[in-house]
Parts: sequence; C-alpha cells; structure tokens
Amino acid sequence: QSVLTQPPSASGTPGQRVTISCSGSSSNIGSNPVNWYQQLPGTAPKLLMYNNSQRPSGVPDRFSGSKSGTSASLAISGLQSEDEADYYCAAWDVRLNGVVFGGGTKLTVL
Amino acid sequence: QVQLVQSGAEVRKPGASVKVSCKASGYTFTTYEINWVRQAAGQGLEWMGWMNPHSGNTGYAQKFQGRVAMTRHTSNSTAYMELSSLTSDDTAVYYCARRGGENFYGSGSYGYWGQGALVTVSS
Repeated sequence: QSVLTQPPSASGTPGQRVTISCSGSSSNIGSNPVNWYQQLPGTAPKLLMYNNSQRPSGVPDRFSGSKSGTSASLAISGLQSEDEADYYCAAWDVRLNGVVFGGGTKLTVL
Repeated sequence: QVQLVQSGAEVRKPGASVKVSCKASGYTFTTYEINWVRQAAGQGLEWMGWMNPHSGNTGYAQKFQGRVAMTRHTSNSTAYMELSSLTSDDTAVYYCARRGGENFYGSGSYGYWGQGALVTVSS
C-alpha cells in the first residue's frame, strides 16, 4: 500500500489529453512539492516534473503538472504512442521523514 | 555530461549482504545528494534513503533502518549502498539517483539516475 495514491491504469488515443491523479495527505503533498517520473519498460525512471509544475529541460510542453491541497495531477496533451509508460508521483513526507512514491499508473495509448 | 554508473547484477543467499556501487562523473560529486530507490519486478518505486557525499550524513527509510548503510569514497566519486540480512523480498533492481538538476534541488526530485543493479536473493 503506497502512501501516495494513483490510479493503476489510464488510457487514451493518439492526440487526446489524459490526466493522472496523485492523492496524498497534509504530511506530504499538502506541505511539499510534487515530482513526477516517467518510466519506460526496462529503463530507469526519468524526471518529468518537479516543484509541482516545472519541467526539466528537454521535457516537451505537452506535459504539465498541478497541485491543489493534498492532491496533484499530471496532464499529457497531444498523446503520442511513445508516451506509453508507467508514471509515478513522489513527494517528501514530513511525518515519515522520507520520500514517498505513488504506486504508479500504467498509461496505455490505444 | 552527468553520469551515474552502477555495478553489475548480484546473486546472494538469504541472510547474506550485498553492496552496490554508483560511480558519478560529469559534476562535482560532493555537491549533490545521492539517494537510493529500489523496484521489485512488476512493482513500484520504493525510496530507501539519502546520503550527503560531502559530509557523509545519511537518512534512511524506517523500513530499512538497521540493515542498510550508505557510504561514499570521495576520492573516486563513488557512492555505495549495502543491505544486510537479505531475504527474497529484497530481490529487486536498485537505483542510485542524484538529487536535483541544472536549476532545482527539491526533495524527491532526481534529475539523474543510474542504470540500475539487479540483486537476486535466492537459496
């Protein structure tokens, strides 16, 4: 059972916009920035978003992030086949004194 | 370019220990925290802890306290993660990750990752 809650799966067709949610509590998302990772099969995770909505250099602006209260969301617009991957949210938890991850969302591009 | 290169796959028996290395290059090793994250097959990411390469200070997830040790050799820019009293539940890919990127350094933001090291625990 992960501290941060994500839907296990999401899907969309090419060109569509999909959103992945991440729900936490006051000790993590409610008090600290959220980060998002993309993990392609057989590879290490890649940072997609930091500080809730900031993209590292090289990440397309099709990816956007937001946070409200104890929840966060990752949106992908103009869905492409190469976006098919697992997506994880992460944040520092002040009660656990460590980083917590969501369980991951497997995105399928139909 | 920043690179984190990890040691190879390991096989251990239950009760044994394993030490995974993570060699950094392309930046000043002592400037950025190294964290360790593991992933069992078909499962999600699990944070294990952090190490400050400058001071050697560490912080571990409660689950691993008492059986994990994160160390470093600054002379060769290498970080290490040693896990003891292994069980089959410790079979996973272990990643080192550098906190921060070009212009950010928030907790949980890992701009660079090693390629992963598979540790298999089997009798």
